[in-house]
Amino acid sequence: SQTIHQWPATLVQPVGSPLSLECTVEGTSNPNLYWYRQAAGRGLQLLFYSVGIGQISSEVPQNLSASRPQDRQFILSSKKLLLSDSGFYLCAWRPTGFLPGELFFGEGSRLTVL
Amino acid sequence: AQKVTQAQTEISVVEKEDVTLDCVYETRDTTYYLFWYKQPPSGELVFLIRRNSFDEQNEISGRYSWNFQKSTSSFNFTITASQVVDSAVYFCALSSGTYKYIFGTGTRLKVLA
Repeated sequence: SQTIHQWPATLVQPVGSPLSLECTVEGTSNPNLYWYRQAAGRGLQLLFYSVGIGQISSEVPQNLSASRPQDRQFILSSKKLLLSDSGFYLCAWRPTGFLPGELFFGEGSRLTVL
Repeated sequence: AQKVTQAQTEISVVEKEDVTLDCVYETRDTTYYLFWYKQPPSGELVFLIRRNSFDEQNEISGRYSWNFQKSTSSFNFTITASQVVDSAVYFCALSSGTYKYIFGTGTRLKVLA
């Protein structure tokens, strides 16, 4: 069966420090991968998605970047965190294909920038 | 542009009451898919249902039911005889066959014992 893991679960970082959140999917190949951010009262905001290794689409210009160095690995990064980067970050995947099926979400990573 | 609106920020009901969560969407595509997800306090999103734009039949699953009306661009979710375990944030989402899934801002449901 397929599973998705993301870490760390909780992170407290000072303003200006770097960030790296990692997400890994197991039990499938060539998944479509997603990073969402959930800020208080703002729902789920799509940040990045990837349809293959090295292929990243950015939805919102911001202080973050994403990379997909391996087929089932998706990394969210920042060189210098801002206070506004605080939030709950969710990684998700779906099987490759045309029809939009169910998105499977990870456990989430809660980031607090102080 | 695609958009999903969940106008109800928070709803509180007493256990055993019925409750309906509203979802209104906007899209110019003729083929699209609608979803509902539940986010319990643990934070992980749980898939509840997917509906495509060509299937307007209402669906019932236990205490859950969904009403899809293309004429009003709505996909509402009703919980019958609510329980405390139903307390969560519920998200409605839209996808039009591309890779993007657009979520609403969510509705926080509190079921009081």
